[in-house]
Amino acid sequence: NAGVTQTPKFQVLKTGQSMTLQCAQDMNHEYMSWYRQDPGMGLRLIHYSVGAGITDQGEVPNGYNVSRSTTEDFPLRLLSAAPSQTSVYFCASSYYTSSPVYEQYFGPGTRLTVT
Amino acid sequence: AQTVTQSQPEMSVQEAETVTLSCTYDTSESNYYLFWYKQPPSRQMILVIRQEAYKQQNATENRFSVNFQKAAKSFSLKISDSQLGDTAMYFCAFPTTIQGAQKLVFGQGTRLTINP
Repeated sequence: NAGVTQTPKFQVLKTGQSMTLQCAQDMNHEYMSWYRQDPGMGLRLIHYSVGAGITDQGEVPNGYNVSRSTTEDFPLRLLSAAPSQTSVYFCASSYYTSSPVYEQYFGPGTRLTVT
Repeated sequence: AQTVTQSQPEMSVQEAETVTLSCTYDTSESNYYLFWYKQPPSRQMILVIRQEAYKQQNATENRFSVNFQKAAKSFSLKISDSQLGDTAMYFCAFPTTIQGAQKLVFGQGTRLTINP
């Protein structure tokens, strides 16, 4: 199994550009999520999904869109990049339980710089 | 609100020494898991160990063990016989549901350096 994969590993955008960060998992996990990691702030949840066709917002969703058309894929779209979105982005997946969520498996991360 | 606190921003020890990283948390839930994640310079988040709150026995994984004090809401990570490859950021994490959103709540992290 490849686990959780993310592309690209690095990306530089200009302010106002849009792009999609790709995430895929081959573990048949129902739950997928996107986090951003900023210095001194740990990881913060952007969006999450509990299954194909179901998505919801996390704590920092503004400026990002997601969709979940298949169990395997969970892309994150930046609509109009801003310097405040410079961060490291992690995709994670896990089996879904009602409570508590089981341990999450993380992708290798994407370092995004917006100039 | 559920919170996770790591009070040691940085720690440094010599190779082969034992080191303990602290974590405290606050929750009103009765059944939950706690995790320690390691993030080396490669940025990959790697699960080190997990503890189920209803189990009184402390979890161990080779050189890594936890001291789980449920009443005190304390969850420390002990690394024995530390190795250079243990150099990394370590995050304590607690899964919870906030306003319907399932998420991991992370501490601020402890940067651990193992010196030769």
